[in-house]
Amino acid sequence: AQSVTQLGSHVSVSEGALVLLRCNYSSSVPPYLFWYVQYPNQGLQLLLKYTTGATLVKGINGFEAEFKKSETSFHLTKPSAHMSDAAEYFCAVSEGNFNKFYFGSGTKLNVKP
Amino acid sequence: DVKVTQSSRYLVKRTGEKVFLECVQDMDHENMFWYRQDPGLGLRLIYFSYDVKMKEKGDIPEGYSVSREKKERFSLILESASTNQTSMYLCASSPSGASNQPQHFGDGTRLSIL
Repeated sequence: AQSVTQLGSHVSVSEGALVLLRCNYSSSVPPYLFWYVQYPNQGLQLLLKYTTGATLVKGINGFEAEFKKSETSFHLTKPSAHMSDAAEYFCAVSEGNFNKFYFGSGTKLNVKP
Repeated sequence: DVKVTQSSRYLVKRTGEKVFLECVQDMDHENMFWYRQDPGLGLRLIYFSYDVKMKEKGDIPEGYSVSREKKERFSLILESASTNQTSMYLCASSPSGASNQPQHFGDGTRLSIL
């Protein structure tokens, strides 16, 4: 089975600063990778996904992520944090015919004014 | 847009009760999933279904069962609720086929067992 590791359960940045949320996965085959965002008392919303092709993927709200096979990583970045980015972020890997997902434990992003 | 609707946002039940959580999706997706979400543990898969009347156990199926009588509806059943089942429950759906499709989530049901 897959495993997904998100380093840092809580990350705090100042408004306007770079956001970097880390995700590493274990996979012996090319994975399908996803980032989701969860605002308080809501479900998960897709930010971006990597399936094939370009390794730098752009998503909604100015976020992007880079797939690095050699590092088995898929870190999420945003050049300039906004107060509205405060939320919990989940990295996920999918596998199998039934599109089963494996989620990381999540990273809560706090944005300070 | 895909819409996944969970019948209740908040639910309070008592120990020993039989609890039903309902989920409906409107995009004719074959796959449906039930997760529970607990702080620091991320999302853990309880059960999933890849077709009507078909179900598969996830990583933590103990104490739960599911029902999928119609393609659009997937129900999670707590046969005899216990306090350790207090959690946030999330339903998701996705189309069949390759694993490159995102799952689409409902808003969740926050369940408290007293």
